[in-house]
Amino acid sequence: SYVLTQPPSVSVAPGKTARITCGGNNIGSKSVHWYQQKPGQAPVLVIYYDSDRPSGIPERFSGSNSGNTATLTISRVEAGDEADYYCQVWDSSSDHPVVFGGGTKLTVL
Amino acid sequence: QVTLRESGPALVKPTQTLTLTCTFSGFSLSTSGMCVSWIRQPPGKALEWLALIDWDDDKYYSTSLKTRLTISKDTSKNQVVLTMTNMDPVDTATYYCARTTGGVTTPFDYWGQGTLVTVSS
Repeated sequence: SYVLTQPPSVSVAPGKTARITCGGNNIGSKSVHWYQQKPGQAPVLVIYYDSDRPSGIPERFSGSNSGNTATLTISRVEAGDEADYYCQVWDSSSDHPVVFGGGTKLTVL
Repeated sequence: QVTLRESGPALVKPTQTLTLTCTFSGFSLSTSGMCVSWIRQPPGKALEWLALIDWDDDKYYSTSLKTRLTISKDTSKNQVVLTMTNMDPVDTATYYCARTTGGVTTPFDYWGQGTLVTVSS
């Protein structure tokens, strides 16, 4: 089945820009969704269809997807952005259609 | 207002069968495009998708767990049920149900709060 690869951790200072990558074979041909999960809470959708933001998600969150890498970018990082982030795609060619990345722990220094 | 809530036993013994229920409101699983999935997360580990059922009663399962999983729905009760047989301590996890609304590319826009299931004798 399809595999998504994320770095285990990313660290960034407050006010700087964090970039979290999600690698997959020709992922640019798929739609990528991103979820934020804080400790003890259910995941929350922060980016869908590569770069769209649900209502209520700050404009500081953006996404891109091309080639073999999708990227979640968080600008002007705040302490409250510290969380685990997961990418997800649908692999419609597979009988295992839903795939999550391994998650990235974002630490705000 | 869309809500989902998972329910089931907090503790199961090895080899037993786990039955979890997702009770939802604010949408109907008979509406074209609607799907409900089960997703789990072992303590300190990543999300793992388990199964999906759609409005047309099509079902999809994790390839690694498909022999142990059964997903079903009761549209009149707004419930989706997941059974997992032959439980093992490695199945200890928080189990979530989540909704998607249309087609095979849509995101999980609403999640339940999750229910922690511990497998231990």
